[in-house]
Amino acid sequence: GAGVSQSPSNKVTEKGKDVELRCDPISGHTALYWYRQSLGQGLEFLIYFQGNSAPDKSGLPSDRFSAERTGGSVSTLTIQRTQQEDSAVYLCASSFGKGSYEQYFGPGTRLTVT
Amino acid sequence: AQSVTQLGSHVSVSEGALVLLRCNYSSSVPPYLFWYVQYPNQGLQLLLKYTSAATLVKGINGFEAEFKKSETSFHLTKPSAHMSDAAEYFCAVTTDSWGKLQFGAGTQVVVTP
Repeated sequence: GAGVSQSPSNKVTEKGKDVELRCDPISGHTALYWYRQSLGQGLEFLIYFQGNSAPDKSGLPSDRFSAERTGGSVSTLTIQRTQQEDSAVYLCASSFGKGSYEQYFGPGTRLTVT
Repeated sequence: AQSVTQLGSHVSVSEGALVLLRCNYSSSVPPYLFWYVQYPNQGLQLLLKYTSAATLVKGINGFEAEFKKSETSFHLTKPSAHMSDAAEYFCAVTTDSWGKLQFGAGTQVVVTP
């Protein structure tokens, strides 16, 4: 079956613009996670969803970052007024949820803010 | 709160030699521990996981890891390195039933002929 997919694979944007990153999880996976991978900070947790709700947003670095999930499936991570420090690879993962510790990762979206 | 520390950001190993990647964790409650591998321009792939069953865990591609509570360690080993093992390896921990992961800084493995 299909794995986790993310789009776009690469995104170059100008400082100050808004961007949307999309994640399609594996069908049937109730949990969805966003992580960020950057040279300076390594791999960081951003947010996760149980179904459509996000009980833990503690990793979002600022109020410019938001995410939603609809229909228990697709998720969108939105970054408003992008800054150069937002440049990173954004990784999405999904799992069967509570008690299931195997997360399946997508290939990531490489965001470059110029 | 929990954390993981990976010793050595870069490791060079000869083809056929032992691969040993070190990971130490800190957690106030029993942790679940993982090793992931990342090949260039790809996402993360789970190698193996410890979830409080057997302390010696076998994973894919001939890798294994041993959970040692007394040493707070979860080191990854492979008896004989292959060129295809060249990648970045991440140790991760969670104490959350929904599996939010905290990652180590990663270890880049180079395999020389």
